[in-house]
Amino acid sequence: AQSVTQLGSHVSVSEGALVLLRCNYSSSVPPYLFWYVQYPNQGLQLLLKYTSAATLVKGINGFEAEFKKSETSFHLTKPSAHMSDAAEYFCAVRGGGTSYGKLTFGQGTILTVHP
Amino acid sequence: NAGVMQNPRHLVRRRGQEARLRCSPMKGHSHVYWYRQLPEEGLKFMVYLQKENIIDESGMPKERFSAEFPKEGPSILRIQQVVRGDSAAYFCASSPRVGAWTDTQYFGPGTRLTVL
Repeated sequence: AQSVTQLGSHVSVSEGALVLLRCNYSSSVPPYLFWYVQYPNQGLQLLLKYTSAATLVKGINGFEAEFKKSETSFHLTKPSAHMSDAAEYFCAVRGGGTSYGKLTFGQGTILTVHP
Repeated sequence: NAGVMQNPRHLVRRRGQEARLRCSPMKGHSHVYWYRQLPEEGLKFMVYLQKENIIDESGMPKERFSAEFPKEGPSILRIQQVVRGDSAAYFCASSPRVGAWTDTQYFGPGTRLTVL
């Protein structure tokens, strides 16, 4: 079965500081991993996805994530936070077995950016 | 290219009524997924459909909930005899016809259901 754990339900950083949002996964098959962002009262927008082509994945808005199989991690980073990055972030893994359509999400991490 | 459309955006129902949530996928997409976001919880998968077929309904509650994606028209998530615990945001996503593991699922803005 697939599962995702996001460490830290709330992360607070200062504008210009490094953003690090943690995600660990469990998967019975080679994982396909995704990071989504959700702004208040909106749907989810894809930031980036790992599909086994490269372990360091670059996404939109300056975000990137590194797939580390030995650590079963897929942490999201951004070198310099901007006020507009304040949102909720979700890590997800694509389903296994016959359930290839299903995304399993972590609990989410709310990012707050202080001036 | 319009994104995934959901309507209504907000829906209020009294206990025992029926709720119908609609989802129009992106143009060219024939795979639709429904997810539910309960207060203080993450998103949970409910059902995966292709045109006229339910592919995976492992996340659907056994009673009162049903989903369809007809040959013509939007996908419908139907909740009969709603209860207060059904209050949540319901999100629809779609992906292209290929339906591969690496396909991105594009999400709609959601329908926020409130049961009084």
